[in-house]
Amino acid sequence: QKEVEQNSGPLSVPEGAIASLNCTYSDRGSQSFFWYRQYSGKSPELIMFIYSNGDKEDGRFTAQLNKASQYVSLLIRDSQPSDSATYLCAVKKSRTNAGKSTFGDGTTLTVKP
Amino acid sequence: GAVVSQHPSWVICKSGTSVKIECRSLDFQATTMFWYRQFPKQSLMLMATSNEGSKATYEQGVEKDKFLINHASLTLSTLTVTSAHPEDSSFYICSAKSGTGVWFNQPQHFGDGTRLSIL
Repeated sequence: QKEVEQNSGPLSVPEGAIASLNCTYSDRGSQSFFWYRQYSGKSPELIMFIYSNGDKEDGRFTAQLNKASQYVSLLIRDSQPSDSATYLCAVKKSRTNAGKSTFGDGTTLTVKP
Repeated sequence: GAVVSQHPSWVICKSGTSVKIECRSLDFQATTMFWYRQFPKQSLMLMATSNEGSKATYEQGVEKDKFLINHASLTLSTLTVTSAHPEDSSFYICSAKSGTGVWFNQPQHFGDGTRLSIL
């Protein structure tokens, strides 16, 4: 079992719809969770992070965390074609291990006009 | 804030050449930097963790003599691919973590990556 699991997709949604991206993690002691967006041929860029149970909103993006279920999700409202990218979930487990985040393999999102 | 600059963005060189890639944190001090490699349509693969003033920690299967990492200051880490061969052609990306704030609030910030092509 991978430490961080994401559906590889592709996930396809129509423009204007809500895109829901999911991520599960295996280490119950994980502390913080990050979502990155990676366009084809580019490096990842941070969208947002969350460390408390519940929802965290930033513009059209909402991160949802449920530590009991070991589940974190990213909702993208009013999806735009420019949101088409691969979305990476990253998990930070502890202050040790250089504070390294463990990345999932990513979910590819396609927003169709 | 939290800008990471990586240079060069693209390198094409002959087999057997050594290539140096620089990673700089521009507006923060990075006690730790990470080096990743990514092949087309594949996931990020962590190669090594670079710590300022000490030896890098390499992931299993990564040859430390092949991929030399130096983190001489709080703002600069370098990756040197020694005697590069075509199979080393890949997208190399560095990432830095700031040392301020509580540890679980410290995301990794990525450079723009270096596309390495070995002929």
